[in-house]
Amino acid sequence: EIVLTQSPGTLSLSPGERATLSCRASQSVSNSYLAWYQQKPGQAPRLLIYGASSRATGIPDRFSGSGSGTDFTLTISRLEPEDFAVYYCQQYGTLPLLNTFGQGTRLEIK
Amino acid sequence: EVQLVESGGGLVQPGGSLRLSCAASGFTFSSYWMSWVRQAPGKGLEWVANIKQDGSDKYYVDSVKGRFTISRDNAKNSLFLQMNSLRAEDTAVYYCARGEGYRNYWGQGTLVTVSS
Repeated sequence: EIVLTQSPGTLSLSPGERATLSCRASQSVSNSYLAWYQQKPGQAPRLLIYGASSRATGIPDRFSGSGSGTDFTLTISRLEPEDFAVYYCQQYGTLPLLNTFGQGTRLEIK
Repeated sequence: EVQLVESGGGLVQPGGSLRLSCAASGFTFSSYWMSWVRQAPGKGLEWVANIKQDGSDKYYVDSVKGRFTISRDNAKNSLFLQMNSLRAEDTAVYYCARGEGYRNYWGQGTLVTVSS
C-alpha cells in the first residue's frame, strides 16, 4: 500500500501570497497518477488537479500541480480568500485499482 | 448536469446494518466505474470501495472487507453500499463519487453514525 504524507499539516498565509503544498509517497506513483482536491467545511471534495499536473475543468490557472515519482507539489500562485480550505492529495496508480489519500493540509488565513 | 445524491444514512447500533444508495443523473451511469469514499468527523478522506461499469469487479479497503458490499443497478442509475457488522469506527460521512481513479464528481454525502 502506498502511503501519502502531506506537509505542512497547517499553512498560514495571507491573501495574495504564494502557497506551496507537498505530497510525498512511500513508493513511486505509477504514471504520475496523483490528484489534488480542495475541501471546504460541510462540502464535498472538489477535484483540482489530476495526472499530477492537469487542471480539472473550471479550475483557475492560479492552481498548478507538479512532480513525479514520489514527490508532488500543489502551488497556488496568488491566494484568493476563497482558497482557504483543506487540500488532499490522492494516488490512484496501484493495482488492483486501490487508492489512498494523504492526511490533508489545512490552509488558513494568517 | 451531473448529479449524485446519496441517501440511507442514519443512526445504527454497533453490529447493525445499513444500506446506502446513490442516485445518479446527467451522465451515462453504465459507462463509469463508481466509488464510495468516507470521512470520519474531523478526519481526512478514506476510499472505501470501487465497482466496475458492469459490476463484475469490486475492490474494498481492507478495513471493510467481508462486512461491506458495493453494488449497482445500471437500469436505475443507482449505486449501493450494504454495510453489515457496523462498528463505531465506521461512523463517517459517506460520499458517492464517479470514477475509480481521480474523481471529478461527488455527492453531498450521507452521515452514518454507529453508536449505542
